[in-house]
Amino acid sequence: NAGVTQTPKFQVLKTGQSMTLQCAQDMNHNSMYWYRQDPGMGLRLIYYSASEGTTDKGEVPNGYNVSRLNKREFSLRLESAAPSQTSVYFCASLRRGHGYTFGSGTRLTVV
Amino acid sequence: AQRVTQPEKLLSVFKGAPVELKCNYSYSGSPELFWYVQYSRQRLQLLLRHISRESIKGFTADLNKGETSFHLKKPFAQEEDSAMYYCALEIGNYQLIWGAGTKLIIKP
Repeated sequence: NAGVTQTPKFQVLKTGQSMTLQCAQDMNHNSMYWYRQDPGMGLRLIYYSASEGTTDKGEVPNGYNVSRLNKREFSLRLESAAPSQTSVYFCASLRRGHGYTFGSGTRLTVV
Repeated sequence: AQRVTQPEKLLSVFKGAPVELKCNYSYSGSPELFWYVQYSRQRLQLLLRHISRESIKGFTADLNKGETSFHLKKPFAQEEDSAMYYCALEIGNYQLIWGAGTKLIIKP
């Protein structure tokens, strides 16, 4: 039982490049989330998907898009990366009342 | 407004001393509260959820609705407890509201 799997673990992008962060969960959870974690700012929600077929903006959605491909997979896309998007990105899935299960994170640097 | 406040950014205690990490919340509904822990360069892990009233790694947390608090406590700190700790509030629309986190350092 792998839980939540994120790829890649590390990535360096040049300003303006695009990339997609992949996330998959095998726990049959309905809800999935993308967060970014920055020093001194805790976790900030980028987008979430309450159930398959739905996506909603979180606190900091600008510059990102998401796709809930199926119940297992929820991807995050940066269309034109900016240095302000340098961060650690975490995917998570939720079972109501039992908390989140997080992926291991993607450390992204935009130069 | 829904809010989670962790007033201490950094807490440093000696090994063997008691630890209390503070968490206060603001929420009009019935709160579901969690503590998460993140060890250095690792993923966030669920430590405690208030509905289960568990004790994990010696940590406990009691929900005090009168004081709107959910403080995390451990009677005797160990060096391996050094980590970032986040308090989180689950609200009705499938989201968690996060505190800013407290970095706990256990000194030998």
